[in-house]
Amino acid sequence: SQKIEQNSEALNIQEGKTATLTCNYTNYSPAYLQWYRQDPGRGPVFLLLIRENEKEKRKERLKVTFDTTLKQSLFHITASQPADSATYLCVGTGNQFYFGTGTSLTVIP
Amino acid sequence: NAGVTQTPKFQVLKTGQSMTLQCAQDMNHNSMYWYRQDPGMGLRLIYYSASEGTTDKGEVPNGYNVSRLNKREFSLRLESAAPSQTSVYFCASSEWASGGPLEQFFGPGTRLTVL
Repeated sequence: SQKIEQNSEALNIQEGKTATLTCNYTNYSPAYLQWYRQDPGRGPVFLLLIRENEKEKRKERLKVTFDTTLKQSLFHITASQPADSATYLCVGTGNQFYFGTGTSLTVIP
Repeated sequence: NAGVTQTPKFQVLKTGQSMTLQCAQDMNHNSMYWYRQDPGMGLRLIYYSASEGTTDKGEVPNGYNVSRLNKREFSLRLESAAPSQTSVYFCASSEWASGGPLEQFFGPGTRLTVL
């Protein structure tokens, strides 16, 4: 079945380091990949969108890549801060759209 | 602008009862969505409306119906609630491009418990 997969294990990193989150897709060719942030008890908030013909997109401390050969998107947060602690969701969109289960990030001061 | 609003915020139902979840957006978006979120399952699409006057099934439509009342409002109805429908429900809206939904704006969610 078509699927978006994210590492379900929580990611803990030290403040100031770069966090890298992975999103893989199978049996599916999304036209866009999008990344959202979700805090406990709240709805997801959009961060970045990257199209399949784009290799890389940046926004402030955030960077996302789209590798159609590896069927993978990487999401980077540079100079991470404790306020970046949240769950990050990947979603692939096209004829159908699927969210991954999310990766929980904790930035340790 | 309020963005996307949902009512109610919390609801407890007994098995077999019916209810309607309301959603409204003030961003003039063409597309609206209903998702459910369960622990370990992520967000799953129930139904969506790519444009006013159209609705389509998502990944988990069984047990639900929707109505796109107008461009602003999209409601989700549970005709006969079951414990398996205990979940957090999110409504969202966005514009739609050739590659599918663009940036989605989510409401605060409705926490539904079915006993």
